Amino acid sequence: DVKVTQSSRYLVKRTGEKVFLECVQDMDHENMFWYRQDPGLGLRLIYFSYDVKMKEKGDIPEGYSVSREKKERFSLILESASTNQTSMYLCASRPLDRSYSPLHFGNGTRLTVT
Amino acid sequence: QKEVEQNSGPLSVPEGAIASLNCTYSDRVSQSFFWYRQYSGKSPELIMSIYSNGDKEDGRFTAQLNKASQYVSLLIRDSQPSDSATYLCAVHFGNEKLTFGTGTRLTIIP
Repeated sequence: DVKVTQSSRYLVKRTGEKVFLECVQDMDHENMFWYRQDPGLGLRLIYFSYDVKMKEKGDIPEGYSVSREKKERFSLILESASTNQTSMYLCASRPLDRSYSPLHFGNGTRLTVT
Repeated sequence: QKEVEQNSGPLSVPEGAIASLNCTYSDRVSQSFFWYRQYSGKSPELIMSIYSNGDKEDGRFTAQLNKASQYVSLLIRDSQPSDSATYLCAVHFGNEKLTFGTGTRLTIIP
């Protein structure tokens, strides 16, 4: 069974702090994704990666960066956290097999920026 | 902008009845379609995938796809209180990204 692990379930950070959200998957998936989820807005893609050291911007990349140094790990970085980045962050992975595989999600990190 | 649309609900259904959830999408070249269930405070979990026109059944769940009309639906038979959740429709528009609808909140009334 695919396991996607996000390092923190809840985080509280102050405005201006640099924040790292970590995600690890154990199924050797090529593709990894970071989404944020807000009430009424659904799931919005921030960044994704289809290989080590490769990254692509999603729909809302502003204020975020990512790092993928190893295939199993995909990190989301908030360079200078702001209150409008308070949200639920979801990491997901899937294999590189055209479009037919679903996403497997981690448990999510609820980030509060004060 | 490729889009996926769902009625946000809430949709209330009596226990034991059939719950019907609908989703429309904007692009005819879409290749694969998924339904996820999300309980409050939890992450989405996959319940159905469908790739071809027609119906696909899995237990109490049936996914229906009509590519010509650009809609996909999910039927839940014999609804149970444990089915109360938000249901997310997701579509692959031919690239690596999956686009989600905003979800339909379903409440099963005992």
